[in-house]
Amino acid sequence: DIQMTQSPSSLSASVGDRVTITCRASQHINNFLNWYQQKPGKAPKLLIYAASTLNRGVPSRFSGRGSGTDFALTIRSLQPEDFATYSCQQSYSIRATFGGGTKVEIK
Amino acid sequence: EVQLVESGGGLVQPGGSLRLSCAASGFTFSSYWMSWVRQAPGKGLEWVANIKEDGSEKYYMDSEKGRFTISRDNAKNLLYLQMNSLRAEDTAVYYCARDFWSGDSDHFDYWGQGTLVTVSS
Repeated sequence: DIQMTQSPSSLSASVGDRVTITCRASQHINNFLNWYQQKPGKAPKLLIYAASTLNRGVPSRFSGRGSGTDFALTIRSLQPEDFATYSCQQSYSIRATFGGGTKVEIK
Repeated sequence: EVQLVESGGGLVQPGGSLRLSCAASGFTFSSYWMSWVRQAPGKGLEWVANIKEDGSEKYYMDSEKGRFTISRDNAKNLLYLQMNSLRAEDTAVYYCARDFWSGDSDHFDYWGQGTLVTVSS
């Protein structure tokens, strides 16, 4: 299985901060990398697919980059509604795998 | 509007069985791969299994192979997960998710609200 390593596992930030979360795949996955946002008690929501394509309705302050094995999700100016857990997921393999998640908390 | 609604979760004893269902609506169910993804309390997301549009191909996470069976009924727009020989570590919220595949992307674009499975004596 392809292992996905996310870092950090948690971070504290203030409204307006720029935040970057990284995700590393254990092998080359081209750009088959997706990002999800999840709030407590809710289902995950797709944010970004194919490493850098914003899903419909996702604010432009979110961006994704990377290819191969190293990827990043950036939130340009953190808003109150962005405090959540973010997870990466590879879809290169027919058996998907997720990163461990990054919890973004209010400082 | 795309909707996925899971049901069938609950409390089950170790070694027991449970069948989860996911009712799909708002899209042509038979045109999409579907997946089950779970999340243990306080843990990350874990993909469990997926199934091709016509049910002819199924894949499972290695640790669950043989205990779990994914299936679908395209006439009824239903996705299933039969879980046998359940263990405490199977305790989780189980989500069904639509798998959107195109030539250069594959992602879970819609998720159900989840159903909680608790394995405990």
